Amino acid sequence: AQKITQTQPGMFVQEKEAVTLDCTYDTSDPSYGLFWYKQPSSGEMIFLIYQGSYDQQNATEGRYSLNFQKARKSANLVISASQLGDSAMYFCAMRHSSGYSTLTFGKGTMLLVSP
Amino acid sequence: NAGVMQNPRHLVRRRGQEARLRCSPMKGHSHVYWYRQLPEEGLKFMVYLQKENIIDESGMPKERFSAEFPKEGPSILRIQQVVRGDSAAYFCASSPREGYEKLFFGSGTQLSVL
Repeated sequence: AQKITQTQPGMFVQEKEAVTLDCTYDTSDPSYGLFWYKQPSSGEMIFLIYQGSYDQQNATEGRYSLNFQKARKSANLVISASQLGDSAMYFCAMRHSSGYSTLTFGKGTMLLVSP
Repeated sequence: NAGVMQNPRHLVRRRGQEARLRCSPMKGHSHVYWYRQLPEEGLKFMVYLQKENIIDESGMPKERFSAEFPKEGPSILRIQQVVRGDSAAYFCASSPREGYEKLFFGSGTQLSVL
């Protein structure tokens, strides 16, 4: 069975600093995909970044980068130059090996950015 | 992701009533997924549908819950005889094809059962 673990229930960071949100996963499948989503207080789920298990390079999308360490089964999200609008819940997720776009989510990390 | 439309945004039902949640996928998307988010939890997969077909309902409770995605019109998640434990946020997502990397989520329906 696939499992996603986010060990940090909450993180605090000051504006303009970088922050790393942890995510570890467990799967026996050789092919999988890893995602990060942002959920602000308004409730919608916003896609941030995707990493395929066979991708050679770490994914980057603007201020977001994914620190993918396959041997350690970790897929940490790095947000550079934090902004007040980054305050939200962040979820790590993994796609099922069936190839469907069904995802298994972690419990999330609440990020608070202070001025 | 603003293209996936869910309504209503908030739904209040009394125990024993029926709840109907609607989801219109993004234009050109024929794959729809329903997820449920309990308080302080991540999203849990419920069901995956393509037009007129249920592909995977492994996350759906066996009783009282059903889903459809007709040839015309939105996908519907139906909960019969709701109980307090059904109170949750229900999210719909869509993709243009199977295995597509990105799921586009709607804003969710918050169901409250009194």
